[in-house]
Amino acid sequence: QKEVEQDPGPLSVPEGAIVSLNCTYSNSAFQYFMWYRQYSRKGPELLMYTYSSGNKEDGRFTAQVDKSSKYISLFIRDSQPSDSATYLCAMRDNAGNMLTFGGGTRLMVKP
Amino acid sequence: DAGITQSPRHKVTETGTPVTLRCHQTENHRYMYWYRQDPGHGLRLIHYSYGVKDTDKGEVSDGYSVSRSKTEDFLLTLESATSSQTSVYFCAIRGTSGNNEQFFGPGTRLTVL
Repeated sequence: QKEVEQDPGPLSVPEGAIVSLNCTYSNSAFQYFMWYRQYSRKGPELLMYTYSSGNKEDGRFTAQVDKSSKYISLFIRDSQPSDSATYLCAMRDNAGNMLTFGGGTRLMVKP
Repeated sequence: DAGITQSPRHKVTETGTPVTLRCHQTENHRYMYWYRQDPGHGLRLIHYSYGVKDTDKGEVSDGYSVSRSKTEDFLLTLESATSSQTSVYFCAIRGTSGNNEQFFGPGTRLTVL
């Protein structure tokens, strides 16, 4: 079993929909959680960063962490075709030298 | 891409040949990382460096070596390439915000025939 699990998708939604992307993890030592967006044939770019539990909002994006359930989410409001990409979750413990990534969820937002 | 360049961007080579990929950064970051990305496996850490001449292994280091003789350059070498090393390779640096986020380069697409 992988340390971080992520549904690979693809997830197809109409423009304007609310998107929910999720990761589950098994290592209770993970304290820092990140979401990356990766367009086709590009490097991942950091989208959101959260520490421990709670919510963080940035424009149309909200990251949510539930450490008791070992579950993190990324919500995208008013989704746009330009949001079509692969979304990767990543996490690390306090030592911080290495990130553990989920496999990524491919999102397609149709006009 | 956070001041990171990778070269070459694409390479096709044959089994058994040596291959070196280069990662170059312009912002004096201490930590640098090499990942490979494959369908179904996501990003997996190969090696990382925490300073000049200081390196450590990651999750999938077998068949790979690295060197860092200057702060700005981190080299990944496949001593004798195999078809299982066909992948997209990404270099990353650790940011300096205190949150230890990583920022990625544009990637190198390597095909081993």
